[in-house]
Amino acid sequence: AQSVTQLDSQVPVFEEAPVELRCNYSSSVSVYLFWYVQYPNQGLQLLLKYLSGSTLVESINGFEAEFNKSQTSFHLRKPSVHISDTAEYFCAVSDRAGSGYSTLTFGKGTMLLVSP
Amino acid sequence: KAGVTQTPRYLIKTRGQQVTLSCSPISGHRSVSWYQQTPGQGLQFLFEYFSETQRNKGNFPGRFSGRQFSNSRSEMNVSTLELGDSALYLCASSLDSSLLYEQYFGPGTRLTVT
Repeated sequence: AQSVTQLDSQVPVFEEAPVELRCNYSSSVSVYLFWYVQYPNQGLQLLLKYLSGSTLVESINGFEAEFNKSQTSFHLRKPSVHISDTAEYFCAVSDRAGSGYSTLTFGKGTMLLVSP
Repeated sequence: KAGVTQTPRYLIKTRGQQVTLSCSPISGHRSVSWYQQTPGQGLQFLFEYFSETQRNKGNFPGRFSGRQFSNSRSEMNVSTLELGDSALYLCASSLDSSLLYEQYFGPGTRLTVT
């Protein structure tokens, strides 16, 4: 069975500082990896995903994540955060060898708190 | 295009009652997935429907059930409510039943069981 660990439940950071949100997964087979963001009182929005190919994936708003197979990690980074990035971030994994259906296993989430 | 809509947004029920939550996917999307979100357990997959058929089911008791209609709208039902069922229930739709297609989430229904 697959699982996802987000090591930090909360990450406080000052505006314009860099940030890294950590995500480790465990799976016995190849995986698809995702990062979702949840703003207050809203559903989840897909931030970026790794399915295959380049291990570095980027989002349109400056976030990037790198798939590291040897370390089973998919950490999310941003070189300079904005107040508007304050939200909860969820890492998710799906077993690539599975049915291919839309089943995701989520981490517990990391609350990113950006202050001026 | 309208996003995923869920009704109602908020709901208060008492133990032992049953509840039905509704989800309308984005037009053209045929896959609907349901998730339960709680502070303690985080986000957990409930079930997924595609073309009116349940394709996958998470590890939840039989009190949790769902269905999908021919227009892709979906409902989930929880019978004999327990205090632990208090949660945010999220619905997500995608074009097809594959992770290659992005899932779009609704705002959720917040269920409180007293």
